[in-house]
Amino acid sequence: DAKTTQPPSMDCAEGRAANLPCNHSTISGNEYVYWYRQIHSQGPQYIIHGLKNNETNEMASLIITEDRKSSTLILPHATLRDTAVYYCIAPTNQAGTALIFGKGTTLSVSS
Amino acid sequence: GAVVSQHPSRVICKSGTSVKIECRSLDFQATTMFWYRQFPKKSLMLMATSNEGSKATYEQGVEKDKFLINHASLTLSTLTVTSAHPEDSSFYICSARDSRQNTEAFFGQGTRLTVV
Repeated sequence: DAKTTQPPSMDCAEGRAANLPCNHSTISGNEYVYWYRQIHSQGPQYIIHGLKNNETNEMASLIITEDRKSSTLILPHATLRDTAVYYCIAPTNQAGTALIFGKGTTLSVSS
Repeated sequence: GAVVSQHPSRVICKSGTSVKIECRSLDFQATTMFWYRQFPKKSLMLMATSNEGSKATYEQGVEKDKFLINHASLTLSTLTVTSAHPEDSSFYICSARDSRQNTEAFFGQGTRLTVV
């Protein structure tokens, strides 16, 4: 897996956009970037993933820099229910490879 | 997204007994399943990887005779904690993916095991 680096914690006001950064400077050309989040005492929830292009779904947007050394997960209108630990993972692109979780970013959304 | 169901969500057992945790993929074929454990305020730690019909591959430091993993079908994997002790109390989480599709992995809701 490519090593990823995330800030340990971030705060965001409810209704504002939450921008969560991730550095993955050693990522290989065929390794995707995945984002998951874990709300307290639950299993991780898949958010989004991408390779080169920016991606958007109903949950979030993923912006990947042109050199692919970093990315940003954007929650456009954060709510209190978005408070969670967010994990950025760049697994080795082999079938059957497990996701290895780092410490992630604890996002706290407040009213 | 795809659904992975894990059961039970909570279990309390006595020291020395065994506990079985089930993980089912409800709407896709899970060729590969993963088992993690998580201690309070810590990240998920991979315990083992299992491919359907094959023996599980355990991570370093995980006792295969203590944590028995069975993955006999494309929709079910089980983790049995044998002769449980209080130090085995933890949050156990399964994950499943269809490696043939190279899609993302999906996670169960987790099982909180308390050994008393």
